[in-house]
Amino acid sequence: DTAVSQTPKYLVTQMGNDKSIKCEQNLGHDTMYWYKQDSKKFLKIMFSYNNKELIINETVPNRFSPKSPDKAHLNLHINSLELGDSAVYFCASSQVLEGRNEQFFGPGTRLTVL
Amino acid sequence: GEDVEQSLFLSVREGDSSVINCTYTDSSSTYLYWYKQEPGAGLQLLTYIFSNMDMKQDQRLTVLLNKKDKHLSLRIADTQTGDSAIYFCAEKDSNYQLIWGAGTKLIIKP
Repeated sequence: DTAVSQTPKYLVTQMGNDKSIKCEQNLGHDTMYWYKQDSKKFLKIMFSYNNKELIINETVPNRFSPKSPDKAHLNLHINSLELGDSAVYFCASSQVLEGRNEQFFGPGTRLTVL
Repeated sequence: GEDVEQSLFLSVREGDSSVINCTYTDSSSTYLYWYKQEPGAGLQLLTYIFSNMDMKQDQRLTVLLNKKDKHLSLRIADTQTGDSAIYFCAEKDSNYQLIWGAGTKLIIKP
């Protein structure tokens, strides 16, 4: 009964490759997010989608392209991977209820670029 | 822009109380949150407080909110080894997005 799931959990790849991370939520939420957590555990929002439309696009290299085929899925494709892309990437989803925005996180994908 | 600040580490003895502090800048925040991240896992919502409240208690957790000083704290009573984690403070901005602190790593000493 996983609420927010991501695949793969670990991803090890060479510099210059292209890779994708998939995210699915079964909570019926309208909004989904991608976050990057670096080695110091700082959490940085990358993208936010609401009902398949992009609403937040922080300063992220355009090598990163999110794709939302439907409300329950938000995938992240990364082109030409660089060493600095090594991090843990978290997907999250949320629904605003009574003014609250409680985000539910996936387990994370640890990306290592060699 | 809005900012949320936390100290990066807190070390306490098992059985003592832990108090994790957070300051924020957006005075219009209506909800403030505490999330917990255990090693190798995603973040989980621990508790939240609405801005018209000063305090919220939930079992071993007590959240205190000082709106005048824009200060939020999380007290964990009788800290256990299972409380070892990183605790993130977050505030909801006017666009319903969350502004995150850097996280406080809670270290439990035996």
